[in-house]
Amino acid sequence: QKEVEQNSGPLSVPEGAIASLNCTYSDRGSQSFFWYRQYSGKSPELIMFIYSNGDKEDGRFTAQLNKASQYVSLLIRDSQPSDSATYLCAVNRSNDYKLSFGAGTTVTVRA
Amino acid sequence: EPEVTQTPSHQVTQMGQEVILRCVPISNHLYFYWYRQILGQKVEFLVSFYNNEISEKSEIFDDQFSVERPDGSNFTLKIRSTKLEDSAMYFCASSGLGGGQPQHFGDGTRLSIL
Repeated sequence: QKEVEQNSGPLSVPEGAIASLNCTYSDRGSQSFFWYRQYSGKSPELIMFIYSNGDKEDGRFTAQLNKASQYVSLLIRDSQPSDSATYLCAVNRSNDYKLSFGAGTTVTVRA
Repeated sequence: EPEVTQTPSHQVTQMGQEVILRCVPISNHLYFYWYRQILGQKVEFLVSFYNNEISEKSEIFDDQFSVERPDGSNFTLKIRSTKLEDSAMYFCASSGLGGGQPQHFGDGTRLSIL
């Protein structure tokens, strides 16, 4: 079983719509959850992190965490063409150092 | 905004040679990391470093690899006897605190082994 799983996509959404990305993880000891955006050929860019169950909003982005279901999601509201990228889910255990990444979901926003 | 800087942006090396990848973490950060991403694959953890010693390493980080903080600002990854399969993007990251804290990534070094 993979540590972190994401739908690879591509996820195609029209401009202005909501993009919904999902991530599941296998290690119940995971405590910290991150979403990174990666443009083609570029490095991961941190966009959200969440530690507690529930929702966390930052601008057009909302992260949702459900530890009981071992599930974390990212919503992108009012999607823009500039949001077209691969979104990486990453998790780690408290007092652990490494981030375990999913393979990423590629999002394409259609103008 | 402070950022992690990496040099060189692209390194081309003959198989069997040694390479050193360099990173300058964010100045007030205490934890440093190396990750790699083979083309088309996911980002993989290599090693974390704190207080001048390795705090965690992955199975990938074998005797071929070493890390060092030679001075107060630089953090390096040395790869000895490079192999074709070492070709990848290598990312340095840093965080202000340890486990669970957001890690900020540099732009990466693309390593090509010929």
